[in-house]
Formats: sequence, C-alpha cells, structure tokens
Amino acid sequence: GAGVSQSPSNKVTEKGKDVELRCDPISGHTALYWYRQSLGQGLEFLIYFQGNSAPDKSGLPSDRFSAERTGGSVSTLTIQRTQQEDSAVYLCASSFGTTYGYTFGSGTRLTVV
Amino acid sequence: GQNIDQPTEMTATEGAIVQINCTYQTSGFNGLFWYQQHAGEAPTFLSYNVLDGLEEKGRFSSFLSRSKGYSYLLLKELQMKDSASYLCAVRNTDKLIFGTGTRLQVFP
Repeated sequence: GAGVSQSPSNKVTEKGKDVELRCDPISGHTALYWYRQSLGQGLEFLIYFQGNSAPDKSGLPSDRFSAERTGGSVSTLTIQRTQQEDSAVYLCASSFGTTYGYTFGSGTRLTVV
Repeated sequence: GQNIDQPTEMTATEGAIVQINCTYQTSGFNGLFWYQQHAGEAPTFLSYNVLDGLEEKGRFSSFLSRSKGYSYLLLKELQMKDSASYLCAVRNTDKLIFGTGTRLQVFP
C-alpha cells in the first residue's frame, strides 16, 4: 500500500480481555517495528521483524504480549488479559531494512477500562 | 544502557529561530534521526545524520557531533504549524531508540 496502515484506529476494551492490533506495512518493506507511546512519554520499543523472523523481542513488557508476522507482510500484536497500564498508542513502522529510516502508521489508541 | 535526553518543552515566537538539543549515550551508534509528531498523529521523518556536521533541508537543519554524543535540530523562520513534538532517535544496530521528545509551542 501507499502507507503503513494500522487497525483499529481506536480500541476500548475491558480489563482482562484479549486484543489484537494489526499492521499492514508498505509493500516491499522487509523490516517492521512495534512501538508503544504512553501519554507524555517517548516511543518505547517493543519488537521488530525482519521478514517473518523477530530477531529482537527485548521490548515486550511481559509474556502477555506477543506478535507475529506472516508472508513478510501483515503483523499482529496480541495483548492477552489486558491491564489498565496497557493503555497507550501502539505505533507500527516499516522500512526497507534495518539501516533505513521508518515510515510510521497512524497508530492504534488502546484504552483499557 | 541507553539514554537519550531532550528538553521536555520549549516555546518560541513565529518567525524566530529555535534550537532543540539532544544528547545521547547508547551502546551502539549507526546514525541519528529527527522526527516531527503533531498531536494525535504519526511521527514523520525530518532528518538523518550519520557523519559529524550540519545537514540542511529548507527551514530545518540538523547537526551531529559523535565524539560529544550531541545533536541539535535548528528550525528557522518558525511558523505556527511547527508547533509539534520533535523526537530525537539513535539507531542502535538494528532499531531506533527514541528520546521522550520536545514539545515546541510557537506563539504569534
């Protein structure tokens, strides 16, 4: 596609429910990144993919967080048993490779109530 | 460890010049990026420095000193639309590490 697409743009969920966030990167971009941005905070790295592999998962806050990427394209970030502290904007970005700059999607604003 | 510092907030007047500083201490360095982020929107790429010196792009310039772990973003002829957060990010081998961002408010 023309840009990085994320869905949903907004998600309100009850504490304890599971959520799935989707990212569709720019066609041809092999690298895909997930970041989290809490109110007034910087971008916190979560995980990145090179192709379908995730060489660096070091930013995932707990084992409730997981992500996968299939076909070297779409990625899904799953948060199980959501907690209120998971409320944030989840940003996805893609690039031609790890030595290039990123193009960001518009993010998913997750609110856990 | 990774540490990227920027001022939290800055204010400036329309038409003026503002310099946003960024200092970093990271375990690896493969370039420094500046992004602009308007409230509620995605960050957009502004500039990239990998060698020491000044990179100029229109009203925006970015400077890097690797020996000092220091960069700045210079915005000239400020416009109201420049009110946004400016994010400094260091590439650490395979990913970008971001600072907390500087919120710039431009007043008439």
